[in-house]
Amino acid sequence: EAQVTQNPRYLITVTGKKLTVTCSQNMNHEYMSWYRQDPGLGLRQIYYSMNVEVTDKGDVPEGYKVSRKEKRNFPLILESPSPNQTSLYFCASSLGTSGIDEQYFGPGTRLTVT
Amino acid sequence: GENVEQHPSTLSVQEGDSAVIKCTYSDSASNYFPWYKQELGKRPQLIIDIRSNVGEKKDQRIAVTLNKTAKHFSLHITETQPEDSAVYFCAASPYDKIIFGKGTRLHILP
Repeated sequence: EAQVTQNPRYLITVTGKKLTVTCSQNMNHEYMSWYRQDPGLGLRQIYYSMNVEVTDKGDVPEGYKVSRKEKRNFPLILESPSPNQTSLYFCASSLGTSGIDEQYFGPGTRLTVT
Repeated sequence: GENVEQHPSTLSVQEGDSAVIKCTYSDSASNYFPWYKQELGKRPQLIIDIRSNVGEKKDQRIAVTLNKTAKHFSLHITETQPEDSAVYFCAASPYDKIIFGKGTRLHILP
């Protein structure tokens, strides 16, 4: 089944404790991206990647890191999480062979930082 | 950078009536304009998209119009049904980024 998977789905952590949210897609997509969703603010792009070893900042990259060592995986790293990073996070992928197109979203990861 | 404004934030329509959601964008480099639907507790899913070389696109009860000169685009849903109740997001894409509007919560009233 073609899909985007994220782990964990729920995470409660404390300020300053490094964490990684994994994202994997099995559709051989070129483009992958991370978003955060907050009430009243919609979806905001954190980072995106057009291909392996190529990553770029989205609208709200501060406090986050990403890597794209393999085509299928695009982990999101919070080196020192803070309470303002409490949010619902979505990973997405798209074919991306000629620019951006339909984003296929993962199920989401709800992160709480206390 | 790109900024996308979406209106209204909440919309209630009687079942069977039409719903219109409007978005404006600021970056003339934007050339891809998707609309996503997000049901409660679920992930966003694409319902329709349009590229800048097209003025209008239709898919059954859903249509999108784009006015590049005025930098605005709209989603039209006709003959609304209960399953249309959801949050709808417009987006604009300059280069390889994507900027979403803040969303419209659509309520379909019986």
